[in-house]
Amino acid sequence: NAGVMQNPRHLVRRRGQEARLRCSPMKGHSHVYWYRQLPEEGLKFMVYLQKENIIDESGMPKERFSAEFPKEGPSILRIQQVVRGDSAAYFCASTWGGTDTQYFGPGTRLTVL
Amino acid sequence: TQLLEQSPQFLSIQEGENLTVYCNSSSVFSSLQWYRQEPGEGPVLLVTGVTGGEVKKLKRLTFHFGDARKDSSLHITAAQPGDTGLYLCAGQETSGSRLTFGEGTQLTVNP
Repeated sequence: NAGVMQNPRHLVRRRGQEARLRCSPMKGHSHVYWYRQLPEEGLKFMVYLQKENIIDESGMPKERFSAEFPKEGPSILRIQQVVRGDSAAYFCASTWGGTDTQYFGPGTRLTVL
Repeated sequence: TQLLEQSPQFLSIQEGENLTVYCNSSSVFSSLQWYRQEPGEGPVLLVTGVTGGEVKKLKRLTFHFGDARKDSSLHITAAQPGDTGLYLCAGQETSGSRLTFGEGTQLTVNP
């Protein structure tokens, strides 16, 4: 997973606050995927983005969650009005688009108090 | 919804032993990948298969992708304590699409 950067690595929020998670893909990669790993559960797909476009958001909760991948800068996963059930590890992965291999970042561990 | 079932869920062995972990599905995948995840870190890719019946040997790892592209196995010879971790299989329905993960096999290799 060398090269995919995520920050912050740990994030603590109180219920009702906003959480912003950042993902910088590997150099040359223009495709980003976000996954969530709840405690004692496997990784679940959330959203797939290319530069300035959302390709597949079928795994995103309908409310409070949004994602973007602007032309310049990192991809952002935004969670509004966080609840305790949002506590999880959030991972992003990147590819250059022409391969099946997704390279993962180290994750952001969100704790909602 | 595509599901991947991994077995066993937990495996504890002694250093030097061999082991095999399995990944099965009723769905067909265009590719199947194995990752290892250590606590507090992201999954690290071990191997990818894209052809039914494919066998790949990488040092102490032997990967097999089933003929029907529905199942896979990962065999590790002469396990070492550094192999300890959560082994995840993940499939892609089509190239470039999202990964569907299994629940993982937690492997512990005791010195």
